[in-house]
Amino acid sequence: EDQVTQSPEALRLQEGESSSLNCSYTVSGLRGLFWYRQDPGKGPEFLFTLYSAGEEKEKERLKATLTKKESFLHITAPKPEDSATYLCAVLNQGGSEKLVFGKGTKLTVNP
Amino acid sequence: NAGVMQNPRHLVRRRGQEARLRCSPMKGHSHVYWYRQLPEEGLKFMVYLQKENIIDESGMPKERFSAEFPKEGPSILRIQQVVRGDSAAYFCASSPTSNQPQHFGDGTRLSIL
Repeated sequence: EDQVTQSPEALRLQEGESSSLNCSYTVSGLRGLFWYRQDPGKGPEFLFTLYSAGEEKEKERLKATLTKKESFLHITAPKPEDSATYLCAVLNQGGSEKLVFGKGTKLTVNP
Repeated sequence: NAGVMQNPRHLVRRRGQEARLRCSPMKGHSHVYWYRQLPEEGLKFMVYLQKENIIDESGMPKERFSAEFPKEGPSILRIQQVVRGDSAAYFCASSPTSNQPQHFGDGTRLSIL
C-alpha cells in the first residue's frame, strides 16, 4: 500500500529563518510527487510536480527536490504569508489517478 | 478564469437525511476527483470520474455513497442516510487529462447534527 509520511507535523520559524519540510514515501513505482499548499478553510493549491529522482523545481522562496525515497520542500527566507499547511502527495504507476496524501506540515512564520 | 467551484460551502444535515455536494470542474477539465478530509487526517481519495463514467471508486464506502458526473452539469457526490461519522470536509479536484496535476476547489464542510 502506498504511504506518505510528512515531518515535522508543525514548524515555527522566524521571518527570514530558512528551513526544510520532509516528505518520505513508499510507492509501487512513482509516477509523480506533488506539493500543495493549504490555507485554513481553503482547498489545496498546487505548487509543484516532481517526476524523477534528482529533479528540482523552484517558485519564489520555495524549492522542491526529489530522491528515490523522499522529497524536501526548502523554504528560503520565509515571510509570514508563507504560513500554511504544506501537503505532499504521490501518484503510483499502477494506472490509478488516486493521489495518496500525507497529513501535512503546518508552517507558522512569525514576523 | 474560474477555478473548481464547489457548493454549498457549508452544509448541515440531521442524521438520516441526504446530502448532495456539487462540483463544477475548471473550464476544459473533463476529469473529476472527490476526496474527504477528516479532522487531524490527511485527504483520502474517494472516487474518480469522467463524463458519464465512474473510472475508480475504490475509496468510496460501499453503502450510502454515490457519485455521478453527467454529460451536462456538475459532478454530484450524494450521501444517503447521513451519520455523525460523515462529518468532514469534502473536496473536489479536476484535471484536463489523466497524469496532470489535480486542481482543488475550496470544499464543502458537512456537519451532521
